[in-house]
Amino acid sequence: AQTVTQSQPEMSVQEAETVTLSCTYDTSENNYYLFWYKQPPSRQMILVIRQEAYKQQNATENRFSVNFQKAAKSFSLKISDSQLGDTAMYFCAFMKPDYNAGNMLTFGGGTRLMVKP
Amino acid sequence: NAGVTQTPKFQVLKTGQSMTLQCAQDMNHEYMSWYRQDPGMGLRLIHYSVGAGITDQGEVPNGYNVSRSTTEDFPLRLLSAAPSQTSVYFCASSYRRTGGYEQYFGPGTRLTVT
Repeated sequence: AQTVTQSQPEMSVQEAETVTLSCTYDTSENNYYLFWYKQPPSRQMILVIRQEAYKQQNATENRFSVNFQKAAKSFSLKISDSQLGDTAMYFCAFMKPDYNAGNMLTFGGGTRLMVKP
Repeated sequence: NAGVTQTPKFQVLKTGQSMTLQCAQDMNHEYMSWYRQDPGMGLRLIHYSVGAGITDQGEVPNGYNVSRSTTEDFPLRLLSAAPSQTSVYFCASSYRRTGGYEQYFGPGTRLTVT
């Protein structure tokens, strides 16, 4: 079974600065996907960014980028130019593609990020 | 498209009561699932379905029952509510085919069992 660990329960950052959220995972699989989801106070789960394990290039989506270290099983999220709207809970998630098992997600415990003005 | 909808948004139950959390999606997704969210534990998979008539257990299935008679609907039944089932429940759906593997989540149901 896969496990996902987020070692930072809470973090804060000043508006316009950069912050990095950590995530490590444990798996024996070679083909898998990693995700970061954002959960603002509205409770809605929003996909921020995804990374395919077979791709060496780190994924980037506007101000969000990842540092994917496959050998170290590390998948950190960097938020640049932090905005007040980035205040949310962030979840790291792992998925092994398996059509018979519904491609389900294994989540970390989450990191609560507060962006301060 | 409404996406993934869940009802109710909030619910309070007494210990021993039963209820059904409703989930529906209008995107013709093959896969549907239920997660519960507890502080410090992220989201954990309760049950999932890979298509109409097919369901299976996830990580924390005890005390819950599901069925999937149509592609659109995937209700979650609490058979005899317990305080340990106080949580936020999310329904999610996704396509079977490759490409992205994005899960689409409903708005969640906050359940309190007293």
